[in-house]
Amino acid sequence: SQQGEEDPQALSIQEGENATMNCSYKTSINNLQWYRQNSGRGLVHLILIRSNEREKHSGRLRVTLDTSKKSSSLLITASRAADTASYFCATDSAGGSNYKLTFGKGTLLTVNP
Amino acid sequence: NAGVMQNPRHLVRRRGQEARLRCSPMKGHSHVYWYRQLPEEGLKFMVYLQKENIIDESGMPKERFSAEFPKEGPSILRIQQVVRGDSAAYFCASSPAGAANYGYTFGSGTRLTVV
Repeated sequence: SQQGEEDPQALSIQEGENATMNCSYKTSINNLQWYRQNSGRGLVHLILIRSNEREKHSGRLRVTLDTSKKSSSLLITASRAADTASYFCATDSAGGSNYKLTFGKGTLLTVNP
Repeated sequence: NAGVMQNPRHLVRRRGQEARLRCSPMKGHSHVYWYRQLPEEGLKFMVYLQKENIIDESGMPKERFSAEFPKEGPSILRIQQVVRGDSAAYFCASSPAGAANYGYTFGSGTRLTVV
C-alpha cells in the first residue's frame, strides 16, 4: 500500500496568501516529515512531527498530525514567491525500519507575485 | 560544512553502459541512504549503508544494481548495463547515528538519462 499521499497535486496562490497541503498515509508511523524540493534540486527537510505530537511550528510553517485519521497537514502562512516548490510528506513505519521513508508524489505549490 | 555532495549532477549513458553515482556524506555522518525519483513520482528507498556495510538493500533491484560505502571515500551506486527505465534522479542522504528522529540531509541528486 502507498504511504504518504499528498493532496492537492497542484496548488496556485497569490503572494501573501496561506497555502495548505494535506498528506494521508495507511499504516502506523513513528514520525512524519515534510520536505521541499525546488525544481531540479534536492530535498530540503522542513519539519518532523512525532506520532505523539499533534501540532508543530517552525517559522511560517505549521504542521498538524491526526493519527486517528492517519493524516497530516502543512500550512505555509504569508506565502512568498520563493516558496514555489514541490512539497512532500514522508513517513516511516511503526514497528518497521524507521530509517526507511516512504514519500508521496508531492504537491506542486506555485506562489504568484 | 559542504553538506551532502553528489556527482555528477547529470549523467548520460547509452543503453548497456555502466553508470557510477557518487555520494560524499556530510562531515561526521556515517550513514548513507540512496533514493530514486522517477518522473512525476515521490522518492523510493533503495539502500541504506554504513561504513563498509550494507544494512538494508531491500529497495534495490536484485540485478544490475549495487552499492558500497568503503572505509575511505564516497558511497558509490553502480548500475550495470543501464536500460531506459533506469532514467531517473538518484538522491543520496546522510545522517549521524540515530538520526531517524531528526530528518535527513539530502544531496542535490544525480540525474541519469539513458539514451
